Amino acid sequence: NAGVTQTPKFRVLKTGQSMTLLCAQDMNHEYMYWYRQDPGMGLRLIHYSVGEGTTAKGEVPDGYNVSRLKKQNFLLGLESAAPSQTSVYFCASSLAGPSYEQYFGPGTRLTVT
Amino acid sequence: LAKTTQPISMDSYEGQEVNITCSHNNIATNDYITWYQQFPSQGPRFIIQGYKTKVTNEVASLFIPADRKSSTLSLPRVSLSDTAVYYCLVWDSNYQLIWGAGTKLIIKP
Repeated sequence: NAGVTQTPKFRVLKTGQSMTLLCAQDMNHEYMYWYRQDPGMGLRLIHYSVGEGTTAKGEVPDGYNVSRLKKQNFLLGLESAAPSQTSVYFCASSLAGPSYEQYFGPGTRLTVT
Repeated sequence: LAKTTQPISMDSYEGQEVNITCSHNNIATNDYITWYQQFPSQGPRFIIQGYKTKVTNEVASLFIPADRKSSTLSLPRVSLSDTAVYYCLVWDSNYQLIWGAGTKLIIKP
């Protein structure tokens, strides 16, 4: 049981480049989330999904897109990276809504130069 | 939008009880208040959640007053391994997830 995994662990992008972060969970959870965490700050919700094929915006969705084509995977895309998107990105999943325990991945450290 | 306030940092010593309070206004009336723990270079990990009054599990207690404008995480007899950042998590009245900024807890020998 791997729990929640994230790929890649580290990435450096130049301004304007695009990339996709992959999150996978093997717990058959309905809900999945993408957060960003900036140094010394709490987590901010980017997008979330309440089930396969559905996504919704969180607190800070601008500049990001997501897709949930399979229940176990949740992808986060950056179409045109900006230095302001330098952050650590965490994926999480929960059995049902966010009031249920969220299980987090190890994070992806993204630097945009 | 709900606003949460936690102390930025706290120090304590091994064997002591530590209480961390999160103030939160405009939270949803029918949802849980949750606390997470985060170690460096790791994702947060669930500790405890409650709706009102007091909840206790094997690692912590959570106290929530009747007006639900705050919650206090209590860690009994802390050890060095409890050094971490602790976050409260609430739903606001518009059903947005709001994480606290975190309290960095340092336990000294």
